[in-house]
Amino acid sequence: GAGVSQSPSNKVTEKGKDVELRCDPISGHTALYWYRQSLGQGLEFLIYFQGNSAPDKSGLPSDRFSAERTGGSVSTLTIQRTQQEDSAVYLCASSLGLPGLDGETQYFGPGTRLLVL
Amino acid sequence: AQSVSQHNHHVILSEAASLELGCNYSYGGTVNLFWYVQYPGQHLQLLLKYFSGDPLVKGIKGFEAEFIKSKFSFNLRKPSVQWSDTAEYFCAAATGTASKLTFGTGTRLQVTL
Repeated sequence: GAGVSQSPSNKVTEKGKDVELRCDPISGHTALYWYRQSLGQGLEFLIYFQGNSAPDKSGLPSDRFSAERTGGSVSTLTIQRTQQEDSAVYLCASSLGLPGLDGETQYFGPGTRLLVL
Repeated sequence: AQSVSQHNHHVILSEAASLELGCNYSYGGTVNLFWYVQYPGQHLQLLLKYFSGDPLVKGIKGFEAEFIKSKFSFNLRKPSVQWSDTAEYFCAAATGTASKLTFGTGTRLQVTL
């Protein structure tokens, strides 16, 4: 079926504004991840959802960042009061199982490029 | 904390040259290892992975990687690169109970004609 989709593909905002980034995972994938890729950096884990379990929020850099996943499918990452250091590409991925436990492959979306002016 | 190191940040090779990109991880327990590739303008995609079994793993487009537990390494190799291999390559690891991948900082490979 279709791959992971993300919207918008690009977002330019002013410092202090709130932004919402959307992710549609592959149908049937129970696990959903958000990562952040900054210029010259690797991918930084932000948050993980698996089924009805409580999300793993250990990677969120501050309380300005939050995410939810509705109905076990679509997820929204919200950044409140954006700062210039939030500028990055935000990647969403989904998988059938866990990369550690099951060796499952994570399938990535094209990302949302966020620029905070 | 678990970490993944990629010591080659930018590699430039001529077509037909052999490639080896280094990847080292810090975790001592059970670990699953992945190489992802990001071609220009495209999203990340899996190149190959090690989960269990034969430590020599073969992936797409002629790539292979060898898991050497004693060296905590999972280096990526290709005997003869092509111009179309120009991309950024990311090594990643996940421990036995991890819900996330830990990525290296990536290696930008540029293949010249």
